[in-house]
Amino acid sequence: NAGVTQTPKFRVLKTGQSMTLLCAQDMNHEYMYWYRQDPGMGLRLIHYSVGEGTTAKGEVPDGYNVSRLKKQNFLLGLESAAPSQTSVYFCASSFGHLSTDTQYFGPGTRLTVL
Amino acid sequence: AQTVTQSQPEMSVQEAETVTLSCTYDTSENNYYLFWYKQPPSRQMILVIRQEAYKQQNATENRFSVNFQKAAKSFSLKISDSQLGDTAMYFCAFIRSGQNFVFGPGTRLSVLP
Repeated sequence: NAGVTQTPKFRVLKTGQSMTLLCAQDMNHEYMYWYRQDPGMGLRLIHYSVGEGTTAKGEVPDGYNVSRLKKQNFLLGLESAAPSQTSVYFCASSFGHLSTDTQYFGPGTRLTVL
Repeated sequence: AQTVTQSQPEMSVQEAETVTLSCTYDTSENNYYLFWYKQPPSRQMILVIRQEAYKQQNATENRFSVNFQKAAKSFSLKISDSQLGDTAMYFCAFIRSGQNFVFGPGTRLSVLP
C-alpha cells in the first residue's frame, strides 16, 4: 500500500514551458487535492476533485488545470509556466469530503521556473 | 473568511523536555475541525492530531496533546518528552464542513540533543 505518490519529485522549467504533475493514490479515496506551499505560508488549495470526472477550483487556481480521468489519479497541469509558480506542490487524498476526514499527503514536488 | 495564525515562526527545545506550539484561528462558525500536521525535512505532511470543535475533551495522541480553548479560539499543541525525530515544521489547520482547509504559516521546531 503505497498511499499517495507524486511524480516527478523535482523539476526545473523555463518560463512558458508546460508540464504535468501526476498524483496517484491506492486507497480508493474519492477526494483528491492539489496544494502549493510557499515560504512563510501554509498550504494553499489550487484545485480539488470530489470524484472521478469532477474538478473544482480552490483558493489559487489561476494558471493551473487539472483532470481526474481515473479515480486513482489526479493530474495538475501548467500550460505556460511562470516564475510565480515556483513552489512545492503537494497532492492529498481523503475518503470523505474535506471536513471530517483526514487528508493523506504525497511527498511533494519541488518545481522551479526560471 | 477563516484565518489561522501561528505566532511562533521558530522554536527550539531540548531533547526530553516539553514544548508548546501556539495556534489561534478566527471563525464565526460553531462546528468545525482543527488539525496539527507535521512536516519533517522529508517534506511529507503527516497528521499529528485532530480535534472536533463540539468535543470539550482535549485530544491526545501518545506524547502529543492539545489545549483547545473554544471561546478563546486557541488550539495549542504540547509535545512531551521531545525527541530528535520531532524536528519539523508544524502546521495548524482549520476546516469546517463543506469548506476547504485553511493552514497556518507554520512553526519550525528544532529539538536539540
